[in-house]
Amino acid sequence: AQSVTQLDSQVPVFEEAPVELRCNYSSSVSVYLFWYVQYPNQGLQLLLKYLSGSTLVESINGFEAEFNKSQTSFHLRKPSVHISDTAEYFCAVSGRHAGGTSYGKLTFGQGTILTVHP
Amino acid sequence: DTEVTQTPKHLVMGMTNKKSLKCEQHMGHRAMYWYKQKAKKPPELMFVYSYEKLSINESVPSRFSPECPNSSLLNLHLHALQPEDSALYLCASSQGVSGRAANTGELFFGEGSRLTVL
Repeated sequence: AQSVTQLDSQVPVFEEAPVELRCNYSSSVSVYLFWYVQYPNQGLQLLLKYLSGSTLVESINGFEAEFNKSQTSFHLRKPSVHISDTAEYFCAVSGRHAGGTSYGKLTFGQGTILTVHP
Repeated sequence: DTEVTQTPKHLVMGMTNKKSLKCEQHMGHRAMYWYKQKAKKPPELMFVYSYEKLSINESVPSRFSPECPNSSLLNLHLHALQPEDSALYLCASSQGVSGRAANTGELFFGEGSRLTVL
């Protein structure tokens, strides 16, 4: 089984400031890690993912996240935020099940609401 | 633009009504999911279909009845719902068992159907 902890339920920042949204996970098996973003009254969109390879992954809109296996973390960062980044961000993990289930079953964190102020 | 389409976007129904939510994807994915999301909470998995067969039912009450007529379509039939069932219902798809994405849990979400039960 997996679990995900997002350490901050709300993060207010000013425009152009840097931001870090924290995510820790626990799992007894190998995992894949994701950040999803949800804008008000919309579905979830994949922001970025770690599957394998380089532990630093980037999105097209300036976010990055680093997989740290020893600390079981996958924190999301952006050096300079925009008003349009205001949204809820979910960290999620998927693991291979012992029963051999080959499709992913995502476990979500509780979400972090990022509010960017002018 | 999402490649998973959900209809209707909004639905208001009484506790004695019968209604359906519909979801369609044309990405060739072979796994489809229903999630329920309450306000300020992460999505909760309800059902998973893999190759048009129900493979996971997360102990969902029988007043919710899923149906997968073919690999592109997923329905959720609603009957005798309660006010506490009011939520955003999200459909998602993933590549399925034959592709690597199936083992990663990467899901593609629709915009959701916002259900209000009076």
